[in-house]
Amino acid sequence: NAGVMQNPRHLVRRRGQEARLRCSPMKGHSHVYWYRQLPEEGLKFMVYLQKENIIDESGMPKERFSAEFPKEGPSILRIQQVVRGDSAAYFCASSPVSGGRGDGYTFGSGTRLTVV
Amino acid sequence: GQSLEQPSEVTAVEGAIVQINCTYQTSGFYGLSWYQQHDGGAPTFLSYNGLDGLEETGRFSSFLSRSDSYGYLLLQELQMKDSASYFCAVRKVDKIIFGKGTRLHILP
Repeated sequence: NAGVMQNPRHLVRRRGQEARLRCSPMKGHSHVYWYRQLPEEGLKFMVYLQKENIIDESGMPKERFSAEFPKEGPSILRIQQVVRGDSAAYFCASSPVSGGRGDGYTFGSGTRLTVV
Repeated sequence: GQSLEQPSEVTAVEGAIVQINCTYQTSGFYGLSWYQQHDGGAPTFLSYNGLDGLEETGRFSSFLSRSDSYGYLLLQELQMKDSASYFCAVRKVDKIIFGKGTRLHILP
């Protein structure tokens, strides 16, 4: 019963490089959510995906950010041409139903992205 | 738009009781959740209120009043390990929106 698996745990990128963050949901969960957390701040919703579909990307920056959840394999959050302001913790959560339910989301351990 | 308001910090003494309040403004409200996050860790689910009233889970209780757009988390018999950030979160039809969190400091 592996939980939500995120990798890498820590990622360092130089400005202008690409960052790829991966998330494998819990077994049996088909709903994946990405959140960004800046230091001393709450979690900001970015995107909600189901297999092969983006359901809600209202929290995604308009440029440089994209997300996918292919039929096979993990969900990927991709940040192109990273800038220092992208440095944050990125958390993935999964749920068996849309919007979660009474027992909430299960979060992965996060990827701490540092842009130097 | 939507907003959630909770105190940024609360301090309490070990063994005591502390209440963390949360007020919210949102459309499409389904319920209020609470999550705990230790420094450097992942958020973990604590409780959920879909209906008005009190939900109790061990030392933690959570309350919701839909008419007042208000809820709280009550932590009893505080332990040092309860030092963490606590987030209220509004459940909408397809996602959960989090507040900025309350950092709970516990004094021995």
